[in-house]
Amino acid sequence: AQSVTQLGSHVSVSEGALVLLRCNYSSSVPPYLFWYVQYPNQGLQLLLKYTTGATLVKGINGFEAEFKKSETSFHLTKPSAHMSDAAEYFCAVSSGAGSYQLTFGKGTKLSVIP
Amino acid sequence: KAGVTQTPRYLIKTRGQQVTLSCSPISGHRSVSWYQQTPGQGLQFLFEYFSETQRNKGNFPGRFSGRQFSNSRSEMNVSTLELGDSALYLCASSPEVGTTGSPLHFGNGTRLTVT
Repeated sequence: AQSVTQLGSHVSVSEGALVLLRCNYSSSVPPYLFWYVQYPNQGLQLLLKYTTGATLVKGINGFEAEFKKSETSFHLTKPSAHMSDAAEYFCAVSSGAGSYQLTFGKGTKLSVIP
Repeated sequence: KAGVTQTPRYLIKTRGQQVTLSCSPISGHRSVSWYQQTPGQGLQFLFEYFSETQRNKGNFPGRFSGRQFSNSRSEMNVSTLELGDSALYLCASSPEVGTTGSPLHFGNGTRLTVT
């Protein structure tokens, strides 16, 4: 069974400050890991994904995440927050074994203070 | 290329009624999945279809059902609606079966309110 834990349901940062959203996962097989963002009244948009290869993954809008197998973590970072980054962020894991079923974390709502 | 289209965007139903939600995947995508999103339970997997076959089902009662057509369009049905079925229902599509870690592409959802 897979699970995802996102630390902090709400995170507030000042505009221009570092964004760090934490995600820890458990999976019985090598995982595929994803970060999605959701703006109000919209669906989920893919930010980035880790499948195999390089452990530092770059995504859209300046976000990146590092896969750390020893820590079972996949934290999302952005060096400088922008007002437009205010949204809810979801970490998700998939075994990829013939299924697209994703297990999501509970989400972290990011607020950006001007 | 058009994204995943879900209709209707908003729906209000009464307890005991049934409802059908529709999803048109991205052109060329053959896999469609459905998720329920609520404030309390978060995002939960409902089912997954590929080439008109249900490949996987989440832990939901039998009142929740779905199907996929030959053109990859999908519908989900909820019968005997309960207040707890109020949620945002998200449809997502992908090109093929998930062996490569290809991401899901989500629609904007159908907001169902049960009164």
